[in-house]
Amino acid sequence: SQTIHQWPATLVQPVGSPLSLECTVEGTSNPNLYWYRQAAGRGLQLLFYSVGIGQISSEVPQNLSASRPQDRQFILSSKKLLLSDSGFYLCAWESGGTSRLYNEQFFGPGTRLTVL
Amino acid sequence: QKEVEQDPGPLSVPEGAIVSLNCTYSNSAFQYFMWYRQYSRKGPELLMYTYSSGNKEDGRFTAQVDKSSKYISLFIRDSQPSDSATYLCAMRNYGGSQGNLIFGKGTKLSVKP
Repeated sequence: SQTIHQWPATLVQPVGSPLSLECTVEGTSNPNLYWYRQAAGRGLQLLFYSVGIGQISSEVPQNLSASRPQDRQFILSSKKLLLSDSGFYLCAWESGGTSRLYNEQFFGPGTRLTVL
Repeated sequence: QKEVEQDPGPLSVPEGAIVSLNCTYSNSAFQYFMWYRQYSRKGPELLMYTYSSGNKEDGRFTAQVDKSSKYISLFIRDSQPSDSATYLCAMRNYGGSQGNLIFGKGTKLSVKP
């Protein structure tokens, strides 16, 4: 069966510090991968998605970047964190290789980031 | 008008009650609809996935889609305290960002023993 991992689970970082969040998926090949942010009372905001190694699409201009160095690894980064980057970061996967219109999407456990 | 509207609640019901959770949407091209359950401080868990209009049942859960009214519902029968969570509706975007999921903001449900 497929499993999605995220780490760290929680993170407290000062403003201006760098960020690296990691997501890995097991039990599947060539998944589509997604990064979302969930802020209190604001719902889920799609940040980035990737349909393959090195292929990143950005949905919202921001202080963050994403990379996919391996098939089942997705990394969210920032060079300098802002207070507004605080939130709950979720990675999600779905089966790849077909149109993104039809697939069920599954979420990881999330990383809670607090920027002070 | 927002693409997906969902009443944030909170909704409080006694154990055993039938719960109705709803979302409305504006884009008539949406065809794939999902319901997620999210416990506090956890990632969302996929509950139901439906295509086009009609009903789909899974145990105590029934998902209903009415495309003519642009309205989807999730019914929970015999609700349990373990059903206490935030419920998110989501639908696949057929617009400019084709394939991305558009989420409602979630309804917080509390089932009292």
